[in-house]
Amino acid sequence: DAGVIQSPRHEVTEMGQEVTLRCKPISGHDYLFWYRQTMMRGLELLIYFNNNVPIDDSGMPEDRFSAKMPNASFSTLKIQPSEPRDSAVYFCASSYGQGAYEQYFGPGTRLTVT
Amino acid sequence: DQQVKQNSPSLSVQEGRISILNCDYTNSMFDYFLWYKKYPAEGPTFLISISSIKDKNEDGRFTVFLNKSAKHLSLHIVPSQPGDSAVYFCAASANKLTFGKGITLSVRP
Repeated sequence: DAGVIQSPRHEVTEMGQEVTLRCKPISGHDYLFWYRQTMMRGLELLIYFNNNVPIDDSGMPEDRFSAKMPNASFSTLKIQPSEPRDSAVYFCASSYGQGAYEQYFGPGTRLTVT
Repeated sequence: DQQVKQNSPSLSVQEGRISILNCDYTNSMFDYFLWYKKYPAEGPTFLISISSIKDKNEDGRFTVFLNKSAKHLSLHIVPSQPGDSAVYFCAASANKLTFGKGITLSVRP
């Protein structure tokens, strides 16, 4: 398996633009997680899905953020409109379960909003 | 409110010596603890874990110790190698994972 795939790897955009981050989880994993990494806050869980259904989105910072998982092999995280404070590295991870189960992370998308 | 705290942002150790990475937590409901390792431009990868019913788990050069009464865990790396230089995240689970901010370990040759 190729592991968790994220695209793009780098994204530079201007404030106010829409940004879409993409993730392909490992086949067979029932859980998908979106995280954001910043120097100030470390790794924060934004939202996670189980069998394509959003379970907990309490970490999503604002209504400008939305996530979807239309099928078991694809998820998107969208920011509209983007702001400079959204600049961070966004990780997608997948696993067979939640909590104690090992999560497999993608390489991340480094987002810069100018 | 940081429920998982890694208070030291960095640690530098001589090759061959022991590295001790510390982590504190506040939520008594956490029942499983994990350490992840992250190299630059890569995602975190799982390193080692421990259940709250244990106080020690060992895997090769890596040992994690858990002190529930103090709400403290630590990762010991012996002997440290230059390839261990990375960011180490402590994570705790009570249904979902909560990560600390990470600590950057530098192992000097």
